[in-house]
Amino acid sequence: EEQLVESGGGLVQPGGSLRLSCAASGFTVSYNYMSWVRQAPGKGLEWVSIIYSGSSTYYTDSVKGRFTISRDTSKNTVYLDMNSLRSEDTAVYYCARGLVRGLSTYYAMDVWGQGTTVTVSS
Amino acid sequence: QSALTQPASVSGSPGQSITISCTGTSSDIGYYNYVSWYQQHPGRAPKLILYDVFNRPSGVPGRFSGSKSGNTASLTIYGLQTEDEADYYCSSYTTSSTHVFGGGTHLTVL
Repeated sequence: EEQLVESGGGLVQPGGSLRLSCAASGFTVSYNYMSWVRQAPGKGLEWVSIIYSGSSTYYTDSVKGRFTISRDTSKNTVYLDMNSLRSEDTAVYYCARGLVRGLSTYYAMDVWGQGTTVTVSS
Repeated sequence: QSALTQPASVSGSPGQSITISCTGTSSDIGYYNYVSWYQQHPGRAPKLILYDVFNRPSGVPGRFSGSKSGNTASLTIYGLQTEDEADYYCSSYTTSSTHVFGGGTHLTVL
């Protein structure tokens, strides 16, 4: 079964740092693109970042220069390093897999983790 | 990177059909046929229900249908069932190589 399990969330003070992990099973993270999506309390989904199979990365404007997405193929895990955290970064953070069918990649996310909660507060 | 525009809420009775619109720009929905839709029940992770405007992943009922015209995409659910009550989000790939979501629409099945 293809599965994603996020971890690393918690309570952090404004200006602090946190590393989120997303452990994959049942597939190889380097063969798919992987995204982080967040959801603030009572709000909608917000796309945060993506890492493609070729290792190129992109970010939403509000986290550029503060967040870094990466992966460790030996651990089949994707990470999100978050620095200079702000109260507006408080959210449930989901890891999601890009849809791949055969040799084709689609711009949609077909496997999601259960999420990990990040709270930025003093 | 402005969010796509969706109605905040829609409602329908069991057996009826509803349509949720999703409006973007010429840099996202209007440029690519890479619109996807997600269903999210309270406390649960989102679930992919449509990709590339109208394609359904395996296991998604044929009651879910998608279309696109210009900068606006639409999700139509035929034959509403009580379990369809959930939040629905559209998403699009953009010319900046990023993704963008809509604000979400809460569907109430009366």
